[in-house]
Amino acid sequence: DTGVSQDPRHKITKRGQNVTFRCDPISEHNRLYWYRQTLGQGPEFLTYFQNEAQLEKSRLLSDRFSAERPKGSFSTLEIQRTEQGDSAMYLCASSLGRGGYNEQFFGPGTRLTVL
Amino acid sequence: AQTVTQSQPEMSVQEAETVTLSCTYDTSESDYYLFWYKQPPSRQMILVIRQEAYKQQNATENRFSVNFQKAAKSFSLKISDSQLGDAAMYFCFIQGAQKLVFGQGTRLTINP
Repeated sequence: DTGVSQDPRHKITKRGQNVTFRCDPISEHNRLYWYRQTLGQGPEFLTYFQNEAQLEKSRLLSDRFSAERPKGSFSTLEIQRTEQGDSAMYLCASSLGRGGYNEQFFGPGTRLTVL
Repeated sequence: AQTVTQSQPEMSVQEAETVTLSCTYDTSESDYYLFWYKQPPSRQMILVIRQEAYKQQNATENRFSVNFQKAAKSFSLKISDSQLGDAAMYFCFIQGAQKLVFGQGTRLTINP
């Protein structure tokens, strides 16, 4: 296993379009996280799955954002009706959750540019 | 609510010297974990060090150690014998049952 992968690495879209990102976690990891990071800032938490259950959602995750993790494996993050303010790096991370909070392994991110 | 404050946007250190990055936090949770993550330029975020809040002993990992002051809600990172490869953005991170929050980061430059 080579780590967390994200696809696509870059996405340019026009305002108002829908976009979907995919994250493939490390295979034995049961926890999966999505973050958004803008230039020069720390990542902001968006949502968190344990297996297929979405356990936490940030208030940043407006109704235009939806995330899924069918079968507890890969995850998708969809943004509907994109706005210029959605331009950011979207990071995915996974961890092995067996009590407590362990190291999160991060993917390379998907950089979204909304024109 | 949880907040994480890194008061040093930028730091620099001479190669082989020691540098300390500061982090203060606030949380209403009783059970939480603290982390330092490193993000090299154009590369993925990686873990530097992890501290369970219920443990009094400060975590160490080779050249990296923390000074965890729970009452003061302070969690600083000390890097000894700084190396050129340590140049990166460093983020302090708190994770509890309800909240996950990163600080705004400290950009560390290593001068040869």
